[in-house]
Amino acid sequence: ETGVTQSPTHLIKTRGQQVTLRCSSQSGHNTVSWYQQALGQGPQFIFQYYREEENGRGNFPPRFSGLQFPNYSSELNVNALELDDSALYLCASSLVSSYNSPLHFGNGTRLTVT
Amino acid sequence: GENVEQHPSTLSVQEGDSAVIKCTYSDSASNYFPWYKQELGKGPQLIIDIRSNVGEKKDQRIAVTLNKTAKHFSLHITETQPEDSAVYFCAASEGQFYFGTGTSLTVIP
Repeated sequence: ETGVTQSPTHLIKTRGQQVTLRCSSQSGHNTVSWYQQALGQGPQFIFQYYREEENGRGNFPPRFSGLQFPNYSSELNVNALELDDSALYLCASSLVSSYNSPLHFGNGTRLTVT
Repeated sequence: GENVEQHPSTLSVQEGDSAVIKCTYSDSASNYFPWYKQELGKGPQLIIDIRSNVGEKKDQRIAVTLNKTAKHFSLHITETQPEDSAVYFCAASEGQFYFGTGTSLTVIP
């Protein structure tokens, strides 16, 4: 069983730039969600994708957007990067589109904005 | 929205002792409470979860208790080992997942 994989593992960007992070969900999982984890904090929900559509969103501005592909993989795009966007970005997949379904996390992408 | 508070933020125990981490939540609609372990450089890993229709769940050295009336739930680790050292997060779900701020557990050999 293949777990959740994310790429790249580390990324350095300049303020104002755009970034795309990628995620492959665990085998058999059709739902993908993205989380932002600032240093010393718990993960914060950005949004969730099911059947290639966003079906839940946390308190993040529209410059955070995403996609889900037919093979259930996903992308997180962040435009107009700000210094506060520096964080670990976690992708999680789950078996069903339910907020009571266990999340399976990848190891994350560490984004640094300078 | 939901507010999850987690205590303590750091915890040191001697190997073989027990460790307890406590969380409170604010939204009575929350009905699913997972616990995650995060090791350095890795993503959170689910270690145990409990649903609102259950008061206690145990898996070997790990147990979770839930008090819906008081809106708090706790993680209990018995016979701690050095490999239990990590950051632990609680979470509550009522429509989306809300995580606590984490507890850094150190098990001293």
